[in-house]
Amino acid sequence: SQTIHQWPATLVQPVGSPLSLECTVEGTSNPNLYWYRQAAGRGLQLLFYSVGIGQISSEVPQNLSASRPQDRQFILSSKKLLLSDSGFYLCAWWTGGGYGYTFGSGTRLTVV
Amino acid sequence: GENVEQHPSTLSVQEGDSAVIKCTYSDSASNYFPWYKQELGKGPQLIIDIRSNVGEKKDQRIAVTLNKTAKHFSLHITETQPEDSAVYFCAAFTSGNTPLVFGKGTRLSVIA
Repeated sequence: SQTIHQWPATLVQPVGSPLSLECTVEGTSNPNLYWYRQAAGRGLQLLFYSVGIGQISSEVPQNLSASRPQDRQFILSSKKLLLSDSGFYLCAWWTGGGYGYTFGSGTRLTVV
Repeated sequence: GENVEQHPSTLSVQEGDSAVIKCTYSDSASNYFPWYKQELGKGPQLIIDIRSNVGEKKDQRIAVTLNKTAKHFSLHITETQPEDSAVYFCAAFTSGNTPLVFGKGTRLSVIA
């Protein structure tokens, strides 16, 4: 079956520290992968998406970067976190075929 | 590009009543419209979707209608239950690898 794993579930990091969030997908190949951020009580903001290994599209200029070192792995990074980076980060995948995205369970990041 | 407007932003209904959430889209080329339910602290989950060649789709207490001419689609929940309380997002998809465009969400509260 197709599953998506996202970790960690929660993270508290000091301002200026680095960040690495990982997302992996199982049971599918060559998926499109997405990183979204959701501020408290707000909508889904698309940060990055990838249609293949090494291919990253950035939707919003910011303090974050993304990488896709393997077909089913998507990583969200920051060299130095800001307070404004706090939020709920969601990874999603899509294999086309007219079905909606499948979201991971999310990582709640609090920058202190 | 595509723009999706979602209304209302909050909705309170009595248990057993119906709830309707409406979305409009701007790109007439959009052809796939999924709806997601997000419970507190979790990732959004696909609950129903509709394609542009269909006017209505039902799944038990949930239905979605699409009016291509007016470029709007709606989610209908009948006989609401407390467990229907969540944030609901609509989205629109155009083609290829372009990401889904989400509405800003509707917070539904079902009052027992």
